[in-house]
Amino acid sequence: DQQVKQNSPSLSVQEGRISILNCDYTNSMFDYFLWYKKYPAEGPTFLISISSIKDKNEDGRFTVFLNKSAKHLSLHIVPSQPGDSAVYFCAASMNYGGSQGNLIFGKGTKLSVKP
Amino acid sequence: NAGVTQTPKFRVLKTGQSMTLLCAQDMNHEYMYWYRQDPGMGLRLIHYSVGEGTTAKGEVPDGYNVSRLKKQNFLLGLESAAPSQTSVYFCASSFFTGNTEAFFGQGTRLTVV
Repeated sequence: DQQVKQNSPSLSVQEGRISILNCDYTNSMFDYFLWYKKYPAEGPTFLISISSIKDKNEDGRFTVFLNKSAKHLSLHIVPSQPGDSAVYFCAASMNYGGSQGNLIFGKGTKLSVKP
Repeated sequence: NAGVTQTPKFRVLKTGQSMTLLCAQDMNHEYMYWYRQDPGMGLRLIHYSVGEGTTAKGEVPDGYNVSRLKKQNFLLGLESAAPSQTSVYFCASSFFTGNTEAFFGQGTRLTVV
């Protein structure tokens, strides 16, 4: 059973507009969430993260929002640029009570930003 | 600073053959991981290590073995390759576990025919 779900396999956005990528999780014990970006033929690279004690974290054009009651997080990219075109993975981990803290990944969302 | 380096980048194996994938990191990270990525499946953890000399099973460990004899290296072995092991394999490392970012290698594309 998937614990981290990215229900949109793909998303297309016009350059300059906002991109919103969504992620849902089922395990309320997750306490840390990360977003990774992956270009073709490359490994994933870390983008931004958020602890469960926060509801928002911002880094430049990238903002992650966490809604714990809904078990939902989203990544906002404003403004979107063609170079943002990539696959975005949501990941979650548990880091207490003897849990190893290994990352559980979603299946990814392919973002295409059109000029 | 090379980061995480995987060898080889591509490989084609025949069913039943064996091979070892090498991962090397130069960031003095304690934790290392092996993932596989399949179409529509995201990244799934095969095995991981929390330090030199330690290994542990992840989500999909069957058919693989690992070793961490040196802190900077993490080896993934396939003793008898099967077509189901056709995948892209990623190695990653991190200072700590899941509440810090992990750094990934560029991947190894393995095809088993």
